[in-house]
Amino acid sequence: GQNIDQPTEMTATEGAIVQINCTYQTSGFNGLFWYQQHAGEAPTFLSYNVLDGLEEKGRFSSFLSRSKGYSYLLLKELQMKDSASYLCAVREEGVGDDKIIFGKGTRLHILP
Amino acid sequence: DAGITQSPRHKVTETGTPVTLRCHQTENHRYMYWYRQDPGHGLRLIHYSYGVKDTDKGEVSDGYSVSRSKTEDFLLTLESATSSQTSVYFCAINRLAGETGELFFGEGSRLTVL
Repeated sequence: GQNIDQPTEMTATEGAIVQINCTYQTSGFNGLFWYQQHAGEAPTFLSYNVLDGLEEKGRFSSFLSRSKGYSYLLLKELQMKDSASYLCAVREEGVGDDKIIFGKGTRLHILP
Repeated sequence: DAGITQSPRHKVTETGTPVTLRCHQTENHRYMYWYRQDPGHGLRLIHYSYGVKDTDKGEVSDGYSVSRSKTEDFLLTLESATSSQTSVYFCAINRLAGETGELFFGEGSRLTVL
């Protein structure tokens, strides 16, 4: 089974840096995703980690430690448009394919 | 970004009536998923499919059935809708199956059961 934990809400200031943590417990771990979801919209893909370490993509970076069951998403130079929910999701081996299970999401508020 | 569409986008129905949501893709991907999203629960996997007539249950499959008779369509059926099934339903496809496995989501179907 799956247990994915992330903070419910966070607040940060425009131009600052924020780190959103995600911890997970699972059998058959096969990768971790981060998605962004603006209110009333569908989630959109941000990053994928399957090996330990840091993946950088512009202002966003994602880190994974498989041994600790831990990941974080780092957002730099925050902009107002970064106000959204950030979803951590774990890929778990399943019958025929991998299931992708989501945490409850972290709602990020950006203050001017 | 086209490639996956859901219908209907909005539906209001009464308790006890059957409801079918349709997910249609134009990119011939093998893997398709149905999620529901509710406040306080996030996205929860209902059922998924890894090929025509190949489906499996997710976290919250009770009260739902699915069918995949052809690659492009994945149907989610509520045989007898209940108020607890009021939710936003998202269909997703796996665009890079076997590699990154990124999910690409449809725009969602908002279902209200009165």
